[in-house]
Amino acid sequence: AQSVTQPDIHITVSEGASLELRCNYSYGATPYLFWYVQSPGQGLQLLLKYFSGDTLVQGIKGFEAEFKRSQSSFNLRKPSVHWSDAAEYFCAVGARRGNDYKLSFGAGTTVTVRA
Amino acid sequence: DTAVSQTPKYLVTQMGNDKSIKCEQNLGHDTMYWYKQDSKKFLKIMFSYNNKELIINETVPNRFSPKSPDKAHLNLHINSLELGDSAVYFCASSHPGQGLDTQYFGPGTRLTVL
Repeated sequence: AQSVTQPDIHITVSEGASLELRCNYSYGATPYLFWYVQSPGQGLQLLLKYFSGDTLVQGIKGFEAEFKRSQSSFNLRKPSVHWSDAAEYFCAVGARRGNDYKLSFGAGTTVTVRA
Repeated sequence: DTAVSQTPKYLVTQMGNDKSIKCEQNLGHDTMYWYKQDSKKFLKIMFSYNNKELIINETVPNRFSPKSPDKAHLNLHINSLELGDSAVYFCASSHPGQGLDTQYFGPGTRLTVL
């Protein structure tokens, strides 16, 4: 069974500073990997995804993530955060067995942006 | 045009009541899901349906019964509500297939059981 670990529960970053959120997954085959963002009181919005190919993927809102198979990681980065990036970030891994497709989420990382 | 919509957005009810949450997607997807997000914001899948057929049932109490009248709708009915059912429930949809297994989420329904 697949699983996801987000080691950082809470990160505080200054506006304009860079941000990196860690994600480690456990899955026997090549995973489908996702990052979602949840703003306060909102639903989940897809930031980016990795299925195959180039291991550095670009997403919306200036985010990117790098898939590193050797480290079982899919860390999310943004070079310069904006106050509007304050939110909950979830890493997820998807696995398919026939018609059974399941997305497993990490526990999330709360990002606080200070002025 | 909302891709995945849920109603209601907020639901406050007494223990023991029966309630339903509705979900509709206009993306033409074949698969729909229900997730529960607890107070610690942990997201866990409850059910998935593919073309109106139940695919995943993650050891959810049988007080929870999903119903899919058609491919575009997946409703969640909860009987005999308990305090522990208080959570945010998210509906999602996806179209299975290589490169297309991206799930799109609704805005969530915050259920409070008093």
